Amino acid sequence: EAGVVQSPRYKIIEKKQPVAFWCNPISGHNTLYWYLQNLGQGPELLIRYENEEAVDDSQLPKDRFSAERLKGVDSTLKIQPAELGDSAVYLCASSFGGSGGYEQYFGPGTRLTVT
Amino acid sequence: AQKVTQAQTEISVVEKEDVTLDCVYETRDTTYYLFWYKQPPSGELVFLIRRNSFDEQNEISGRYSWNFQKSTSSFNFTITASQVVDSAVYFCALESYSSASKIIFGSGTRLSIRP
Repeated sequence: EAGVVQSPRYKIIEKKQPVAFWCNPISGHNTLYWYLQNLGQGPELLIRYENEEAVDDSQLPKDRFSAERLKGVDSTLKIQPAELGDSAVYLCASSFGGSGGYEQYFGPGTRLTVT
Repeated sequence: AQKVTQAQTEISVVEKEDVTLDCVYETRDTTYYLFWYKQPPSGELVFLIRRNSFDEQNEISGRYSWNFQKSTSSFNFTITASQVVDSAVYFCALESYSSASKIIFGSGTRLSIRP
């Protein structure tokens, strides 16, 4: 069974440029998460989808970040414009259920460097 | 508010030693879930174990064991006879029922096993 796929693995951009990350969850998982992980820290939730619906985006900086999950499968996270402080690893995860202690399966992440 | 504290930032032991990773959590909910995840150098977080708040039984899986104590709000993780392959960052996480599946991660403990 294929795991969570993310691309690109690495991205270097100049500040003020746009950037997008793509995630393909495990087949059959209806819940998808985007996390931000700073160096030496644990993941922090940005947004959670149940199928196509964003059920928790309270931590998403909506002035510059946006996300979509068309057809309830793949998802894209976008930053426009990027700032120096956005340099981090962006993790995508999926789970079979949305609440009730379901284990999450994580992708390898996209390491973003903003110069 | 929910909080997870992993006071040990880094631990280094010699192979075959036993090592315990501490996790202390805070929540006002009576229903919650606790997790441990492993993040090897490759970057993908890997699920290790889940415990719900009504199950205080300790668990052993091979060289891994977990001690859940509600009285001290702790969920500690012990590796017996450590191996070099155990080197990774380990995260403890909390999902409270009222937070509807928003997992709060600790800041992680970097474990290095020296040959």
